Amino acid sequence: SQQGEEDPQALSIQEGENATMNCSYKTSINNLQWYRQNSGRGLVHLILIRSNEREKHSGRLRVTLDTSKKSSSLLITASRAADTASYFCATEDNYGQNFVFGPGTRLSVLP
Amino acid sequence: DAGVIQSPRHEVTEMGQEVTLRCKPISGHNSLFWYRQTMMRGLELLIYFNNNVPIDDSGMPEDRFSAKMPNASFSTLKIQPSEPRDSAVYFCASSLVFGTQYFGPGTRLTVL
Repeated sequence: SQQGEEDPQALSIQEGENATMNCSYKTSINNLQWYRQNSGRGLVHLILIRSNEREKHSGRLRVTLDTSKKSSSLLITASRAADTASYFCATEDNYGQNFVFGPGTRLSVLP
Repeated sequence: DAGVIQSPRHEVTEMGQEVTLRCKPISGHNSLFWYRQTMMRGLELLIYFNNNVPIDDSGMPEDRFSAKMPNASFSTLKIQPSEPRDSAVYFCASSLVFGTQYFGPGTRLTVL
């Protein structure tokens, strides 16, 4: 079964609004990563948060991790049309193995 | 750095033919991953290597699929014989151990 499950599956917002995507997982992890995929392209790494971290920022991105709830969220602030893409979370276990991607959230930012 | 290089970018073949996908990881990375992405199944990990050694191939769907990594700078994923249900985008990614994965642009495979 998949380790990471993103929620919602699809999200449509207006430019300038904030977008929040959630990820839940099942087992203990070493780190959790968020990736972005533009249509027809490979995945691009956005941010990594380790199991001992609770929050991390990178530009307009904010990621939180709650290991007690086995969940993470990705917040994109002041969204732009160029943020339109699919976003995936991926977890890595404590042995550097079982690197598993969720099904992704398709984000559409309307101009 | 050129990033992860995959070839070919597109492959169209007929059922029963052998297909070989190629990947050159980023220099210095010691882990390499092969993924398959379809609309129905999403992104699936097929196999990954660490220091050229296959660590986990539990995602390889059938014996028709095989992967090799003869050296640190090259890997192949072979499908023999190919079937229409193998049509997908195949990604290769590389990383340092416990690190970010860097994805190639993918190979879009169509099996007729």
